[in-house]
Amino acid sequence: AQKVTQAQTEISVVEKEDVTLDCVYETRDTTYYLFWYKQPPSGELVFLIRRNSFDEQNEISGRYSWNFQKSTSSFNFTITASQVVDSAVYFCALTRGYQKVTFGTGTKLQVIP
Amino acid sequence: ETGVTQTPRHLVMGMTNKKSLKCEQHLGHNAMYWYKQSAKKPLELMFVYNFKEQTENNSVPSRFSPECPNSSHLFLHLHTLQPEDSALYLCASSQGQQGQETQYFGPGTRLLVL
Repeated sequence: AQKVTQAQTEISVVEKEDVTLDCVYETRDTTYYLFWYKQPPSGELVFLIRRNSFDEQNEISGRYSWNFQKSTSSFNFTITASQVVDSAVYFCALTRGYQKVTFGTGTKLQVIP
Repeated sequence: ETGVTQTPRHLVMGMTNKKSLKCEQHLGHNAMYWYKQSAKKPLELMFVYNFKEQTENNSVPSRFSPECPNSSHLFLHLHTLQPEDSALYLCASSQGQQGQETQYFGPGTRLLVL
């Protein structure tokens, strides 16, 4: 069975602060894929990143960065210099090939101006 | 044009009503999905269609009836729903059904069952 845990239910930060959203996953497979999605109040899940289990290289995209560590089964997401537009619910997800995607319960991020 | 569209965006229905949710994808994808999102719960996969054929029914009650006439359109027919069915229903599509394929989501239909 596979599982995704996002222990942080809600986080509030002041604008321009850095914030890290945690994601811990469980799987017995050696090949798997990890995702992060953003869900703004409008409801649509917006794809942010996909990572396969063989690529542990960290990735940076503008103010967003992701830290993938297989040793701790974590795929954490950091927003640098947060902005009000970053306020949303963020979901981490896991899948292994032909299996359905398992989503975490989400972390609600509120950025206060 | 937005990749995945859903109509209506909001729906209120009584338990005896019959309604349908519509999803359309403009991405040329072959797989489409229905998810249910309830408060404080992970997204629940309901149905998967690949090349118009249903490939997964995740033990969904029969009061939810999907229909996929072609790879671009997906419907969810609703009848005799219960108040606990109130939720955000999200449609998604992907190029194929392989798990590593990225799923792209629509804005959802927020359903309230009275």
